[in-house]
Amino acid sequence: EAGVAQSPRYKIIEKRQSVAFWCNPISGHATLYWYQQILGQGPKLLIQFQNNGVVDDSQLPKDRFSAERLKGVDSTLKIQPAKLEDSAVYLCASSLLGLYYEQYFGPGTRLTVT
Amino acid sequence: AQSVTQLGSHVSVSEGALVLLRCNYSSSVPPYLFWYVQYPNQGLQLLLKYTSAATLVKGINGFEAEFKKSETSFHLTKPSAHMRDAAEYFCAVISENSNYQLIWGAGTKLIIKP
Repeated sequence: EAGVAQSPRYKIIEKRQSVAFWCNPISGHATLYWYQQILGQGPKLLIQFQNNGVVDDSQLPKDRFSAERLKGVDSTLKIQPAKLEDSAVYLCASSLLGLYYEQYFGPGTRLTVT
Repeated sequence: AQSVTQLGSHVSVSEGALVLLRCNYSSSVPPYLFWYVQYPNQGLQLLLKYTSAATLVKGINGFEAEFKKSETSFHLTKPSAHMRDAAEYFCAVISENSNYQLIWGAGTKLIIKP
């Protein structure tokens, strides 16, 4: 079974530029999550999708971050314009829906904003 | 509010010694608890999960965790540490909301001394 795929793995941009991350979840997983992980901290949920609908985006900085999940499969997360404090690892995870189902994580995208 | 506390941002043990990583949680409902491991430059991988069945849960790579309701704890142990266990370990609890989100601890970095 293929895992969660993410690209790119690494990205370096200057502040005020834009960047996009892509995620392809495990086949059949209806739920998709985007997390931000700052060095030395636990993951922080940015947005949760159920199929192609948004379940929770309460911690997404909507003035600069946007995300979509067209057709309920792949997802993209965009930052525009980037700030220095956006430097972090962006993790995508997917799961089946239900209490006992764990989240499966992709390898992450390490973003450095200079 | 729910929370997860991991005691010790860094834990150092000698190869072959007992590993003990501490996790305490707060939850007003029966908790569902998880331990994830993150190797350098990788995403998170599930080690084990507690879903109200047996209180002693066995996971991958020789790790196990014991759920103690009276102590609100879910500590992770391994009898004998290997160099390959060097990684960051995260404890998480399912959120009380209906979205199956995870509340994460800040993580503990496990250092193995030769």
